[in-house]
Amino acid sequence: GAVVSQHPSWVICKSGTSVKIECRSLDFQATTMFWYRQFPKQSLMLMATSNEGSKATYEQGVEKDKFLINHASLTLSTLTVTSAHPEDSSFYICSARTGFLRTTGNEQFFGPGTRLTVL
Amino acid sequence: RKEVEQDPGPFNVPEGATVAFNCTYSNSASQSFFWYRQDCRKEPKLLMSVYSSGNEDGRFTAQLNRASQYISLLIRDSKLSDSATYLCVVTLFSGGYNKLIFGAGTRLAVHP
Repeated sequence: GAVVSQHPSWVICKSGTSVKIECRSLDFQATTMFWYRQFPKQSLMLMATSNEGSKATYEQGVEKDKFLINHASLTLSTLTVTSAHPEDSSFYICSARTGFLRTTGNEQFFGPGTRLTVL
Repeated sequence: RKEVEQDPGPFNVPEGATVAFNCTYSNSASQSFFWYRQDCRKEPKLLMSVYSSGNEDGRFTAQLNRASQYISLLIRDSKLSDSATYLCVVTLFSGGYNKLIFGAGTRLAVHP
């Protein structure tokens, strides 16, 4: 299957700092990328969806000024957690698919996740 | 009410046992259905798609009942390596986008 990488795999930072997480599709062009967040023993929650070259669409309750998403190329999307606080500590997972948002049947390929701990 | 509900478990079963997981979803407009597997501190991985006609992949059998909005997964002859969290997932076309909606997962622990 297709490969999606994330970097870093884990990060520990001080409260108030910004953290950038990269998501790359290694062997395919990802028209659409998704960012999820998962708290312990909870389900993956979709944070935002982005198409290459377009602004991201954020889910209800997700602050777009706090979670900045850039999908500048067909193989790279970044999520920046600005002014991180302890409550932002979570497992952040990206996924990528080749089809456009409105098509069905295209599998999503998940990155390995980034564990963020904010002290 | 959660969009996708699962019994969190854990289900503790011996090797060789048969175990069944259930899942219900609240939105009748859900279009596609899947079971994913997630190991501790890892990303989810697609296990299988689920169809109304039922489908089988080796020791795994999945079934969808659209009328009851109910999805099941049956694992036969459990192996130690089956220990993981199993996520029930549906897709929903919402707000102009086709999204994956995840359940919180059912934990399975297979012991010798």
